[in-house]
Amino acid sequence: QQPVQSPQAVILREGEDAVINCSSSKALYSVHWYRQKHGEAPVFLMILLKGGEQKGHDKISASFNEKKQQSSLYLTASQLSYSGTYFCGTEGVDSNYQLIWGAGTKLIIKP
Amino acid sequence: GAVVSQHPSWVICKSGTSVKIECRSLDFQATTMFWYRQFPKQSLMLMATSNEGSKATYEQGVEKDKFLINHASLTLSTLTVTSAHPEDSSFYICSARDAGTYYEQYFGPGTRLTVT
Repeated sequence: QQPVQSPQAVILREGEDAVINCSSSKALYSVHWYRQKHGEAPVFLMILLKGGEQKGHDKISASFNEKKQQSSLYLTASQLSYSGTYFCGTEGVDSNYQLIWGAGTKLIIKP
Repeated sequence: GAVVSQHPSWVICKSGTSVKIECRSLDFQATTMFWYRQFPKQSLMLMATSNEGSKATYEQGVEKDKFLINHASLTLSTLTVTSAHPEDSSFYICSARDAGTYYEQYFGPGTRLTVT
C-alpha cells in the first residue's frame, strides 16, 4: 500500500525550513528518501532503518518512528538547490528489497 | 559513488516495433535491479524486480510478455518493450541495489520512450 506523503506541495523562500512527512499503514523495515528534479532520475538522500533513528547531513535530516510507521524529512535553511520533488520509499518487514513509493512532495524554493 | 547508466536516454519508435533499454551498474555489482515507469508529475511505479540469473518478478498488472526483462549479469539488466504502442510512451527508470551495501538503491538517468 502506497505511503502517504504530506504536504503535496510547498513553496518556501530561501532560508526557510520545511518538513515533509511520510506515513505508512504497514510495518516498516526501512524508509528511503530521494529527491527528483524535473526530467532527471531520483537522487538518493538517506535511508532510515527499523529501530527508530535519526540521520542527517548538512542541513537535511530525517527521523523514523517505527511504532508510528512514520518518517519525516527536515530541510533547514533551505537553498535554491533543494527545489524538486521529494519521494519517500518504504520497505516492509516482509518485502524483497522492494520499495513502495509515496506520491511525492513538490518543493519550490524562491529567492 | 555508485553509478548506474541507462541506454538510450531518448527513443522514438513506431507503433508495433520493439525497443530494448539497457541498465548497467558501472562500478558495483547489482544482484537486484528494479524497473520503474513514471508518468508526468506522478510517482514511480514498480514494474518488476530483476534478480541476476533468475526470472524477473512482475508486479500485478504488468504484462510479462510485453515487457521482457533479462538480468544476464551482475552489472546488466535489459527491458524490452515488445510491439510497442502509444500508451507505452513513458519515462522508464531502472535502479540497482548494491550487493555490498545491501540497502541503497541507485537510479539510472532514465529513458524517455515515445511511441508514434
